Amino acid sequence: DVKVTQSSRYLVKRTGEKVFLECVQDMDHENMFWYRQDPGLGLRLIYFSYDVKMKEKGDIPEGYSVSREKKERFSLILESASTNQTSMYLCASDLRGQPQHFGDGTRLSIL
Amino acid sequence: GENVEQHPSTLSVQEGDSAVIKCTYSDSASNYFPWYKQELGKGPQLIIDIRSNVGEKKDQRIAVTLNKTAKHFSLHITETQPEDSAVYFCAASKTGNQFYFGTGTSLTVIP
Repeated sequence: DVKVTQSSRYLVKRTGEKVFLECVQDMDHENMFWYRQDPGLGLRLIYFSYDVKMKEKGDIPEGYSVSREKKERFSLILESASTNQTSMYLCASDLRGQPQHFGDGTRLSIL
Repeated sequence: GENVEQHPSTLSVQEGDSAVIKCTYSDSASNYFPWYKQELGKGPQLIIDIRSNVGEKKDQRIAVTLNKTAKHFSLHITETQPEDSAVYFCAASKTGNQFYFGTGTSLTVIP
């Protein structure tokens, strides 16, 4: 079974901090994705990556950046956290044309 | 880009009854339509999917139908059980491209 592991289930940070969310997948998937999930808004794509050191903006990239130095690891970075970035963050991975596999999410609170 | 709409946002059914969730999409080039189930505290899990060359697919109590002409697809759950209670998401994608998700349906099965 594919395993997508997000490093933290819950995280509390302060406004202005630089925040790192880590995601690792163990199935050699080419593609990795970061979403945020908010009530009534579904899953919104922040950034995705089709290969190592490659990144593409999703629908809501403002205030975020990403890093993919190794194929199995995809990091989401909040450069200067703000309260409107309080949300559930989901990482996913897939092979081209195949379904996405999700991690269990990181619930991030910015105080 | 693609736009996926999902209805209803909440659904309550009696145990043993059927549940139907509907989604529409806007991009006629979309050709892959997965459905995900998200239980409390967990990430979305794939439960069934359908590709555009198929009109219907079944897996035990779950079925998905696709109408390419009308650009809509539906999830059908028969003989519902309390463990079916969760949030369900539909999605649409073109092969190799990003996924676009509906806003979710919270299904409650009343014992």
